Amino acid sequence: EAGVAQSPRYKIIEKRQSVAFWCNPISGHATLYWYQQILGQGPKLLIQFQNNGVVDDSQLPKDRFSAERLKGVDSTLKIQPAKLEDSAVYLCASSGPMGSYEQYFGPGTRLTVT
Amino acid sequence: AQTVTQSQPEMSVQEAETVTLSCTYDTSESNYYLFWYKQPPSRQMILVIRQEAYKQQNATENRFSVNFQKAAKSFSLKISDSQLGDTAMYFCAFIGGGTSYGKLTFGQGTILTVHP
Repeated sequence: EAGVAQSPRYKIIEKRQSVAFWCNPISGHATLYWYQQILGQGPKLLIQFQNNGVVDDSQLPKDRFSAERLKGVDSTLKIQPAKLEDSAVYLCASSGPMGSYEQYFGPGTRLTVT
Repeated sequence: AQTVTQSQPEMSVQEAETVTLSCTYDTSESNYYLFWYKQPPSRQMILVIRQEAYKQQNATENRFSVNFQKAAKSFSLKISDSQLGDTAMYFCAFIGGGTSYGKLTFGQGTILTVHP
């Protein structure tokens, strides 16, 4: 079974530029999560999708961050414009049927904003 | 709101010895799940072990076991026969079975170094 795929693995941009991250969850997993992990801290949930609907985006900075999961499969997270404090690892995770609490993580994208 | 606290920023252990990582949490929910995740330098977050709050028996997975004290809201991880490959950041995490369903709340992490 293929794991959660993410791309790119690394990205360096200047502040005020835009960037997009892509995630493909494990096949058949209905729930998809984006987490932000700042260096030295635990991951923080940005947004949770159930199929193609948003379940929780309470911690997503909506003035600059957006995310979509149009067909209920893969997802894109965008930042526009980026700030220095957005430098972090962005982790995508997925989980299976309702009641399945285990989340499987992708390798993450390390973003550096200069 | 749930909180997860890991009070040990760093730990070290000699190869083949045993080490225990601490975690406490705070919640008003009665139904929840607790996890330990391992994150090596490659950044891949790997599930080590899980515990359902309604189960009194402590979970074990090979060399990894937990000491779950529900009344004290404590969830420690014991690694026996430590191996060099256990070197990583370890995160304690919580999912509630109620309104916070699906959202993992992580602790700050503990860096574990296994020395040869």
